[in-house]
Amino acid sequence: NAGVTQTPKFRVLKTGQSMTLLCAQDMNHEYMYWYRQDPGMGLRLIHYSVGEGTTAKGEVPDGYNVSRLKKQNFLLGLESAAPSQTSVYFCASSYSSQDRTDTQYFGPGTRLTVL
Amino acid sequence: EDQVTQSPEALRLQEGESSSLNCSYTVSGLRGLFWYRQDPGKGPEFLFTLYSAGEEKEKERLKATLTKKESFLHITAPKPEDSATYLCAVQAATSGTYKYIFGTGTRLKVLA
Repeated sequence: NAGVTQTPKFRVLKTGQSMTLLCAQDMNHEYMYWYRQDPGMGLRLIHYSVGEGTTAKGEVPDGYNVSRLKKQNFLLGLESAAPSQTSVYFCASSYSSQDRTDTQYFGPGTRLTVL
Repeated sequence: EDQVTQSPEALRLQEGESSSLNCSYTVSGLRGLFWYRQDPGKGPEFLFTLYSAGEEKEKERLKATLTKKESFLHITAPKPEDSATYLCAVQAATSGTYKYIFGTGTRLKVLA
């Protein structure tokens, strides 16, 4: 099993450009999450999904959009990148979250720089 | 307000020098507490889940414990390969939903 994979690993954008980050998991998990990690701050939840076709806002959703068209994939989009979105982005997945305590498993991250 | 605080921010140990990392939390409706290890340039790697006060879990040189207010990650006779950032997170029940709250981590450096 590959677990959680993310593409790309690195990306440099200019202000105003758009891009999509792809997350894939092969553990048949229902829940998927997108976080950003910045120096001196804990992981902050951007958006999450509780199943195929569903999405919901997390703690810092502004400037991002997501889609979950297939159970195994969760896409994070930046429509018009800003320097404040320079960060490391992590995707995670878990079996469920509502009915029991579930461990999140993380991908390797995408390092994004917006100039 | 739900909060997770980890201390110290950074810790340097000599190889073999045992110590503990602290994770204190203030949350309503704790569902579980998680410990992760994160190496530079990598994603967090799951270590332990603790569900209730008094619970302990061990893995090699690591032992995690949980009380009603905090968790400790004890590192016994550490080796240089234990150098990493250790993250603590809690799953809390808030307003009918469950959310995860992460601490900022403890950067551990073990010197040979």
